[in-house]
Amino acid sequence: GAVVSQHPSWVICKSGTSVKIECRSLDFQATTMFWYRQFPKQSLMLMATSNEGSKATYEQGVEKDKFLINHASLTLSTLTVTSAHPEDSSFYICSASLLAGASYTQYFGPGTRLTVL
Amino acid sequence: KQEVTQIPAALSVPEGENLVLNCSFTDSAIYNLQWFRQDPGKGLTSLLLIQSSQREQTSGRLNASLDKSSGRSTLYIAASQPGDSATYLCAGANDYKLSFGAGTTVTVRA
Repeated sequence: GAVVSQHPSWVICKSGTSVKIECRSLDFQATTMFWYRQFPKQSLMLMATSNEGSKATYEQGVEKDKFLINHASLTLSTLTVTSAHPEDSSFYICSASLLAGASYTQYFGPGTRLTVL
Repeated sequence: KQEVTQIPAALSVPEGENLVLNCSFTDSAIYNLQWFRQDPGKGLTSLLLIQSSQREQTSGRLNASLDKSSGRSTLYIAASQPGDSATYLCAGANDYKLSFGAGTTVTVRA
């Protein structure tokens, strides 16, 4: 149980285009979803936190107008990288949280490799 | 803000040797601490999760300890195998957010 999927697994796009990445919790309803970015040989950096039906909360230094997050349901969150540039090339990973009693766990998707030419 | 540090950054051992990976964190008010494995170009695989009320967790050859007072967690991998070669990340949860360390890249030589 507690499976999170991401689509696509990889994408290559031209500079200036927009790219949408989907994150789905397949077998549970997630109270909160998170988006992370990982540059080569670096750790995961939290970009934003989103709750279903409300605006995302962005971490300091993350441009909310560039990284649009929509959390339309308890099982789906999308990240749109608008007007992508080569410096946006990175590995994007989402997670979905499950609060069960006193236990809180984030379950991670397999990641999306974005390459901007 | 939670700061998580992992030492060493890289480790190479012969097959069969026990592995000890260290993780330190600055804010002891963590909700839980998780250890993950990441293979090159892949996502995260959760290995062990230790709740703040626990001192350790074990799964097979893996054992993780948590000492909140000193701000440290240690992941032990017994009798290492080449298949254990990967990057191991620890992450502390505060206010339902995870802060990750930079990871320790492990190479187990056959």
